[in-house]
Amino acid sequence: DAGVTQSPTHLIKTRGQHVTLRCSPISGHKSVSWYQQVLGQGPQFIFQYYEKEERGRGNFPDRFSARQFPNYSSELNVNALLLGDSALYLCASSLGGQSVVGTQYFGPGTRLLVL
Amino acid sequence: GQQLNQSPQSMFIQEGEDVSMNCTSSSIFNTWLWYKQDPGEGPVLLIALYKAGELTSNGRLTAQFGITRKDSFLNISASIPSDVGIYFCAGRNYGGSQGNLIFGKGTKLSVKP
Repeated sequence: DAGVTQSPTHLIKTRGQHVTLRCSPISGHKSVSWYQQVLGQGPQFIFQYYEKEERGRGNFPDRFSARQFPNYSSELNVNALLLGDSALYLCASSLGGQSVVGTQYFGPGTRLLVL
Repeated sequence: GQQLNQSPQSMFIQEGEDVSMNCTSSSIFNTWLWYKQDPGEGPVLLIALYKAGELTSNGRLTAQFGITRKDSFLNISASIPSDVGIYFCAGRNYGGSQGNLIFGKGTKLSVKP
């Protein structure tokens, strides 16, 4: 079975540009979460989406936005890129739903470098 | 952002030795997860714990959900070179959405053959 897939694997942008990252969850999983991992740190929660609705948001500026599609795939958008946005962006999928005690499975990530 | 206290930050051990690492939180968690991350890859789930006091094994790995619900440990027995990597604990608060995991800063494990 396919795991969580993310695209692109690597990306180089310049300050002020916009970026869109994509994620496809494990088949049957309805929830997608996004995390940012800067070098030497653990992942930091950005967003969770379940059934196309935002269910959680971390402490990130409004330049970060996301959405989930009917097929449960998701996009993370970052506007007006800053040097500090350089990081590994991880997508994680889970079955979803508040009542379901579930576990998150991570994709390989997208490495973003902002110059 | 909020992070867990994970220790040690790094370990350099001989092949065959046992390894122990732990995580503590200032708040109560309802879930503890342990992940391993290799360079350039996403975290891979090792063990998931859902009940206070729960002790779960996965091969040479054993993890426990602390009775206080504010801590967890991971043990690796008889380490081998492929155990090299960064180990992260992650927890979820009561009331937190399923997607909102809080991570430690990681324990970097190096094994000398």
